[in-house]
Amino acid sequence: AQSVAQPEDQVKVAEGNPLTVKCTYSVSGNPYLFWYVQYPNRGLQFLLKYITGDNLVKGSYGFEAEFNKSQTSFHLKKPSALVSDSALYFCAVRDGAGNTPLVFGKGTRLSVIA
Amino acid sequence: KAGVTQTPRYLIKTRGQQVTLSCSPISGHRSVSWYQQTPGQGLQFLFEYFSETQRNKGNFPGRFSGRQFSNSRSEMNVSTLELGDSALYLCASSLDYYSYEQYFGPGTRLTVT
Repeated sequence: AQSVAQPEDQVKVAEGNPLTVKCTYSVSGNPYLFWYVQYPNRGLQFLLKYITGDNLVKGSYGFEAEFNKSQTSFHLKKPSALVSDSALYFCAVRDGAGNTPLVFGKGTRLSVIA
Repeated sequence: KAGVTQTPRYLIKTRGQQVTLSCSPISGHRSVSWYQQTPGQGLQFLFEYFSETQRNKGNFPGRFSGRQFSNSRSEMNVSTLELGDSALYLCASSLDYYSYEQYFGPGTRLTVT
């Protein structure tokens, strides 16, 4: 069965600094990888995905993520954090080998401090 | 385009009652998924439907059921409610099945007393 881990419950960064939110995954086939963001009292918003192709994926709001097959990672990054980026971030994975559901990590709370 | 809509947004029920939640996907989307979100367990997968067929089911008891209609709208039902069913229930739709990103609704906040 596929799984995804977000090793940090919380990440704090200063505004203007680069940010990284970590994600590692486990699947038997090729991974389909997604990042979502959740603002307070709202549903999740899609940020970006990796299905195939370039390992560096660019998404909404200046976010990007790098797929690393050897390290089974898909870390979310942004060169310069904004206070408005403060939210709960979820990594999700689906096993491209078969008919399995989308599995989410526990989430990482990002706090950007002014 | 209108986003995913869920009704009702808030619901208070008593233990033992049943509840039906509704989800209208983005126009043209054929796949609908349901998730339960709680502070302790995070996002737990409930069901996934595509073209009225249940494609995947999560590890929830049989009290949880769902269906999808020919217009892609979906409902989920929870019978014999328990206190532990209190959660935010999220519906998500996607254009097609599997490799497509999901777009989430605002959720239905269910409180069981």
